[in-house]
Formats: sequence, structure tokens, C-alpha cells
Amino acid sequence: DVKVTQSSRYLVKRTGEKVFLECVQDMDHENMFWYRQDPGLGLRLIYFSYDVKMKEKGDIPEGYSVSREKKERFSLILESASTNQTSMYLCASSLHSGTVPHYNEQFFGPGTRLTVL
Amino acid sequence: GNSVTQMEGPVTLSEEAFLTINCTYTATGYPSLFWYVQYPGEGLQLLLKATKADDKGSNKGFEATYRKETTSFHLEKGSVQVSDSAVYFCALRAGGYQKVTFGIGTKLQVIP
Repeated sequence: DVKVTQSSRYLVKRTGEKVFLECVQDMDHENMFWYRQDPGLGLRLIYFSYDVKMKEKGDIPEGYSVSREKKERFSLILESASTNQTSMYLCASSLHSGTVPHYNEQFFGPGTRLTVL
Repeated sequence: GNSVTQMEGPVTLSEEAFLTINCTYTATGYPSLFWYVQYPGEGLQLLLKATKADDKGSNKGFEATYRKETTSFHLEKGSVQVSDSAVYFCALRAGGYQKVTFGIGTKLQVIP
């Protein structure tokens, strides 16, 4: 059974703390994604990675960074957490479609609900 | 840029009622279209997809038809069950990119 796991389901941090959110997939997928989910805004892409050590900014990268040192693991880093980063964070992975522009399904983890006080 | 528009809800229906959740999109070229579902406490999972105009995606009794002329991909089900209560996201992928653009999600509540 395919699986994307996230390190925590719930996390509470204080303003200014450095926060690490970890995501691991066991499907040998090339692509990995970090989204945040907020009421009324849906899912917004923060960063994605299409290969080890590669990263691309999504729609809302400000205040975040990422790390992909191994194919199966993609980390989201909040360098100095702020209250406006309180949100649900979703990780996803997919196969790379190569030069053929067909869709490869994104598989999602269960999410981490982060509260910054 | 690309965008997806859907109502946020909540949509409240009685069991066995007919469901329609509207979705319209704006995109360059010929996007692929999807519906994802998020059950309480879980991540999103793909419900159905359509990759070209007039295609119909279907799964678990849900259907959606890719209408290029109206730029729409409305989700329908003939008879909903309590177990269908979830948040439904319309989404698109345009061109050869890996990125997917999601709508805001529509919460469906089905009452017995």
C-alpha cells in the first residue's frame, strides 16, 4: 500500500522558533510537494521538488525553506515561526511524467496541524 | 494564470439526494482536470480525473464531464450516502508542469 507519512499530526510552537516538518514517501516518487491548507483559501503550494537537492518555489514560499537530501524525504522549514503560519500543512508526492505531459496522481499525507502561539 | 472556482459550502443534503458541486476553471492550453476528496482527519485522495474535452471521469458513483466550451467540470452523484461526507476539491494541471492548481474545496455534509 502506497504511503506518505508526516512526522507529526499536531504541533504547537512559539513565535520565533525554528520548526521542521518532515515528510517521507515509500513509492520511489521523484516529485514531492508542500502545501498549506486554510479555510476559504484551499490548498496553496509552498515549494516542490522534482529530484534530490532540487527545489522550486511555489505560490507562497515567503517565510519557508525546504530540504531534499534523499529521494524519499522532503522537509519544510520555518526559520522563525510566526502566528500567520498557523495552518494545516500537507505533503504530497508523485511520479515524474518525463517529457510526456500526462498526469501522475499526487498522493497525500494525513497533514500536520501547526499552531504558532 | 491558472485558477479554479468552486463554492465553499457547506452543502448539506439528506441521504439519497442528488449531488452537484460546480467547478469552473481558467487555464492556458488544454488542462487535465481532477476531483480530489478529503475525508475527516485524512489527506486528499484522487477521486476522478479527465484529461481531454468531453471525457467523463467516474469513480464510486461520482461522475464529472470535461466541458471545454463552458470551462467546467461539475461533480455529480445520483444518491449520496452519509459516508460521502467530506471536502471535495476541484483541481487542474496545465501544460507539462507537475504543479496542480486547487480550488478552495467544498464541504459536503450528508445527514441520515
